[in-house]
Amino acid sequence: AQKITQTQPGMFVQEKEAVTLDCTYDTSDPSYGLFWYKQPSSGEMIFLIYQGSYDQQNATEGRYSLNFQKARKSANLVISASQLGDSAMYFCAMREGPYSGAGSYQLTFGKGTKLSVIP
Amino acid sequence: NAGVTQTPKFQVLKTGQSMTLQCAQDMNHNSMYWYRQDPGMGLRLIYYSASEGTTDKGEVPNGYNVSRLNKREFSLRLESAAPSQTSVYFCASSDGTYHNTEAFFGQGTRLTVV
Repeated sequence: AQKITQTQPGMFVQEKEAVTLDCTYDTSDPSYGLFWYKQPSSGEMIFLIYQGSYDQQNATEGRYSLNFQKARKSANLVISASQLGDSAMYFCAMREGPYSGAGSYQLTFGKGTKLSVIP
Repeated sequence: NAGVTQTPKFQVLKTGQSMTLQCAQDMNHNSMYWYRQDPGMGLRLIYYSASEGTTDKGEVPNGYNVSRLNKREFSLRLESAAPSQTSVYFCASSDGTYHNTEAFFGQGTRLTVV
């Protein structure tokens, strides 16, 4: 079974609008971290935001926020006021903690969502 | 302030040739990772090293070997390259002590096997 699922291969959003990128995850470890990365066309991986499994509040970083629904095992990224420079691939990732046996501390990525911002 | 440095940036190999991708980090991180990125597949973990002296297989380890030479360096070796190994390879590192530390990535190596 996939540990990280991103169901939207591609998304379009109008400039200045908000957009939500979906991510669901699968783990039995009570201790884990969830990450979002941005990959522009230049290819580098840029860290955006982090959410810990024990965090009570949703993470926010500037225009990025993470809608964390633990019971549903979802960690959706919300980008507010989209800009043309937000056009990129976005990857959700999970790092499991020490209780995952052979999978401990692995950092697993989803297949990504390609976001295109329309002027 | 180099972060994670990968070499080479580009490489073309003939089928059956061998090569080693080098990765070094200067952030004193415990954990290091090798990924491959193929269109539509995201980043798939090849091998990782949770700490110096340990290495573990990831999702797609076949055809690869790794060496954690020391805390700084983590190399990926292709013993007999195949066209299916044409990909972009990323090395990454993270503190590794706690799960809430993000990974830092190298610039990637674009490998073509003909």
